[in-house]
Amino acid sequence: DTGVSQDPRHKITKRGQNVTFRCDPISEHNRLYWYRQTLGQGPEFLTYFQNEAQLEKSRLLSDRFSAERPKGSFSTLEIQRTEQGDSAMYLCASSLRSDYGYTFGSGTRLTVV
Amino acid sequence: AQKITQTQPGMFVQEKEAVTLDCTYDTSDPSYGLFWYKQPSSGEMIFLIYQGSYDQQNATEGRYSLNFQKARKSANLVISASQLGDSAMYFCAMREGLNAGKSTFGDGTTLTVKP
Repeated sequence: DTGVSQDPRHKITKRGQNVTFRCDPISEHNRLYWYRQTLGQGPEFLTYFQNEAQLEKSRLLSDRFSAERPKGSFSTLEIQRTEQGDSAMYLCASSLRSDYGYTFGSGTRLTVV
Repeated sequence: AQKITQTQPGMFVQEKEAVTLDCTYDTSDPSYGLFWYKQPSSGEMIFLIYQGSYDQQNATEGRYSLNFQKARKSANLVISASQLGDSAMYFCAMREGLNAGKSTFGDGTTLTVKP
């Protein structure tokens, strides 16, 4: 068990470009979550998968954001046409059950210039 | 209304003393879970403790305990015998509903342990 892995750790992109992040959860965990965190704030929910099914997506998320979890294993989060307001830390987490705490990855820090 | 409120942006505690970090929550769902996480300056969030809404006893995990007062909708984290390594940001979070996925986080409390 190597924990939750996220790649890349840092991403700098120009406004208008597309970016994709990857998350590898703990293998036994069927639940996978994406959150976004800005400085001085708590994590903000983006989306949630149980196995390969995307069960919940934040209404705050615009159509520029999409996430997948093919075969219920790793997940990708894509942001299209990035904006400066997308600059944040993107956190992935996984868990086994709803009454278990999350195991978080180290995050991907996105900077849009 | 805020679902999770952490009213203490920053707290200081002397090494080896106990400290209480406050958290109040707002929900109309009878089934919910409350969580505390620690985020050191290195950034990776660490799960500390869980309390279910139907749990009769307060949760404890080592030096961490959760003071759960259901009627007051509060779920304060108590850290006993503070250590320098406890200096970090602490987040309270709530998951509403049975088998729920999403958690709502508060804005956190920064704890500084003084030697």
